[in-house]
Amino acid sequence: GENVEQHPSTLSVQEGDSAVIKCTYSDSASNYFPWYKQELGKRPQLIIDIRSNVGEKKDQRIAVTLNKTAKHFSLHITETQPEDSAVYFCAASKMSSDYKLSFGAGTTVTVRA
Amino acid sequence: DSGVTQTPKHLITATGQRVTLRCSPRSGDLSVYWYQQSLDQGLQFLIQYYNGEERAKGNILERFSAQQFPDLHSELNLSSLELGDSALYFCASSVEGSYNSPLHFGNGTRLTVT
Repeated sequence: GENVEQHPSTLSVQEGDSAVIKCTYSDSASNYFPWYKQELGKRPQLIIDIRSNVGEKKDQRIAVTLNKTAKHFSLHITETQPEDSAVYFCAASKMSSDYKLSFGAGTTVTVRA
Repeated sequence: DSGVTQTPKHLITATGQRVTLRCSPRSGDLSVYWYQQSLDQGLQFLIQYYNGEERAKGNILERFSAQQFPDLHSELNLSSLELGDSALYFCASSVEGSYNSPLHFGNGTRLTVT
């Protein structure tokens, strides 16, 4: 099955700086890559997703890039703010009889004021 | 509020016991997923249902079972509980249950096995 690796496991940044989280996946047929944010004690929430026919997608301070050849995708957060502190999960899935979404292990992001 | 309702919020039980976790999906969503999140762990996929039928299965233990009812709510049954089953159990729902359907998570049920 699909294996998604996520790095780093923890990330501390100064407020206003950028944060980058990288994920690699093993199944070249994967073509949907969402990112979920989980604040402490709360439920995961979808923040952005990208499909394989797109190389980059932006939503305000958040962007995701995809490199299908290298089988990796990244989340970029610019001008970080304290409310960006959370655990971020990447995930991957593909069109097949098995619809399960495979998640990375998560990155704990701490934004220092 | 995601619209996905999970009950109970907390559950404390002893080893060897059986518990049932309940999930009501968002209005209009046909697919329900169950995930397990242990301390400092990621989201482990357990099982997915679509319109009452099992669609995908992850690393779900034989001691665990689930079902989706005609009204689309779902229940996750955990039996012969062990200490290692202590975790946060999330239910999520999506409209179609396809590979690229955004998931809407509930607030989870925190299970503590003593």
